[in-house]
Amino acid sequence: AQSVTQLGSHVSVSEGALVLLRCNYSSSVPPYLFWYVQYPNQGLQLLLKYTSAATLVKGINGFEAEFKKSETSFHLTKPSAHMSDAAEYFCAVSEYNNNDMRFGAGTRLTVKP
Amino acid sequence: DAGVTQSPTHLIKTRGQQVTLRCSPKSGHDTVSWYQQALGQGPQFIFQYYEEEERQRGNFPDRFSGHQFPNYSSELNVNALLLGDSALYLCASSFYYRDRPYNEQFFGPGTRLTVL
Repeated sequence: AQSVTQLGSHVSVSEGALVLLRCNYSSSVPPYLFWYVQYPNQGLQLLLKYTSAATLVKGINGFEAEFKKSETSFHLTKPSAHMSDAAEYFCAVSEYNNNDMRFGAGTRLTVKP
Repeated sequence: DAGVTQSPTHLIKTRGQQVTLRCSPKSGHDTVSWYQQALGQGPQFIFQYYEEEERQRGNFPDRFSGHQFPNYSSELNVNALLLGDSALYLCASSFYYRDRPYNEQFFGPGTRLTVL
């Protein structure tokens, strides 16, 4: 079965610094990969998704992620952190025609002024 | 468009009791999935309903059951509550496209269940 591992439960950056949140996946078939953001006391909001098209995926709020099959990775980046980016971020994977989406444990991003 | 709505927002129960959580999907969606998110963890897939039937199920015991109504809304029922059932329960809706390999899910704000 597919799974994801998020490296680092907490990441802290300064405002304006690069954001890098790491995600590695395991899947026996070509995966579909997602990044979600969760603000306190709210549900999940989709940031971006990889669905076997372009390997560099651009999402909302200036985030992007690159699918690297050789490294089984799908790391999330943003060139310049903003205070409003502080939240919990989840990487998720699903397989073809399989809506059983598997989530990582999450990474809490803190942005320091 | 109201998006995915869930009720109630918060719920407190005691061990052994039963609970029912409700979800209304985003307008136009026909598929509802339920997830359990324990504190400090990622969501875990419970099951998915489509055409009023359970289409897929995660690794959860039979104490967890569900239902989907003709208007596509859904209920999650949990019997014989355990302390470990305390969590945020998320509902996600999607539209099932037969010719697409995946169907984007939209999440509701969740119901926080506390079992004492």
